[in-house]
Amino acid sequence: EVQLVESGGGLVQPGRSLRLSCAASGFTFDDYGMHWVRQVPGKGLEWVSGISYNSGSIGYADSVKGRFTISRDNAKIFLYLQMNSLRAEDTALYYCAKDLGNGYEILDYWGQGTLVTVSS
Amino acid sequence: DIQMTQSPSSLSASVGDTVTISCRASQSIYRYLNWYQHKPGTVPKLLIYAASSLQGGVPSRFSGSGSGTDFTLTISSLQPEDFATYYCQQSYSNLALTFGGGTKVEIK
Repeated sequence: EVQLVESGGGLVQPGRSLRLSCAASGFTFDDYGMHWVRQVPGKGLEWVSGISYNSGSIGYADSVKGRFTISRDNAKIFLYLQMNSLRAEDTALYYCAKDLGNGYEILDYWGQGTLVTVSS
Repeated sequence: DIQMTQSPSSLSASVGDTVTISCRASQSIYRYLNWYQHKPGTVPKLLIYAASSLQGGVPSRFSGSGSGTDFTLTISSLQPEDFATYYCQQSYSNLALTFGGGTKVEIK
């Protein structure tokens, strides 16, 4: 059974940093692309970032480019999102999601999410 | 970036109704279009990928159609468990995904 478990969320002041983690299990992690998607409470889904199976290709939404860094550790079976220079508008529930393949950009499994609140 | 526009943003329907949700892309995305269902307190669920392919385990009352810039999600014979928010998402742009704004299906 595919499982994705996010952690690392919490309350952080504007301008500070936070690192999210996603522990994956139930599938061959290094065969699949992975993504982060967020949802501001009461709003829609926003894709944040994605990474290919071997970290060779990475993409970011314009809203986080230059501030967030996605990475993965295929040996430890973890996906990460390093978030720097956080803003109030980054407050959201952050989901880790598995790609249907590598480069398919279709999200077939999602974690439960970790809440990030940026506030002074 | 490719913009995705869904309509309507919300609708009211009754159990047994047929519901249609539209999604329009700002440029041709061929058939690289996926649909998700999201209920409060749960995680988004993939319903349809590649415009019309039903994800495993999804009831056949869900169907998708379209190509190019215009797409449709149809729910035939709406069931109580179908009341949710539905999102389209383009997968044409490599590592530059975008979602539509969502369509909330509510009980009439």
